[in-house]
Amino acid sequence: QTVVTQEPSLSVSPGGTVTLTCGLSSDSVSTTFYPSWYQQTPGQTPRTLIYNTNTRSSGVPDRFSGSILGNKAALTITGAQADDESDYYCVLYMGSGISVFGGGTKLTVL
Amino acid sequence: QVQLVESGGGVVQPGRSLRLSCAASGFTFSNYGMQWVRQAPGTGLEWVAVISYDGSNKYSADSVKGRFTISRDNSKNTLFLQMNSLRAEDTAVYYCAKVPYSSALHAFDIWGQGTMVTVS
Repeated sequence: QTVVTQEPSLSVSPGGTVTLTCGLSSDSVSTTFYPSWYQQTPGQTPRTLIYNTNTRSSGVPDRFSGSILGNKAALTITGAQADDESDYYCVLYMGSGISVFGGGTKLTVL
Repeated sequence: QVQLVESGGGVVQPGRSLRLSCAASGFTFSNYGMQWVRQAPGTGLEWVAVISYDGSNKYSADSVKGRFTISRDNSKNTLFLQMNSLRAEDTAVYYCAKVPYSSALHAFDIWGQGTMVTVS
């Protein structure tokens, strides 16, 4: 069974930079997994941030960026703001139509 | 304005069926794959199913395979999820979402507001 791993929780200071990662339990993540990232505040609809590793969705500020760091996909937030405090989910595409979500990272801005 | 609006959720007894709909507007629906994603109360997001732009390819998660069927009607700009043999663990908010790239089956760029399904 494929497991997509994310940090359960992270914190960042206002104005600071934080990197969230997205890994695989039994493989290295590359662009061929088309990693994507989503932000969700409790009770709200998910918001698309990044897809295809580093393509920002429409209206997403450039302080959100996606990349591959080592053997994981990464979402970096620079100049963190209070309203960045949310849950963040990554998704990896396994091929044959199958996508798998990570368990999510709860980001605290304090 | 690109928009997805789900409907059809509700309370249903275990073993019964329900069909969700997702009405699309503001884009050429027939050019894009579409997906269903769900979120059980207090938990994370779970991918459910995807359908290609023309309906010729359909894939679903193991947790719903054989019970849920994704389909679409491009003449009506509508996506469907037929859910049979429902279980308590299917209780969740169900979101439809658009695939960003024509002819692709991965990622989501536009999301609906979700519809709640309670199996009890």
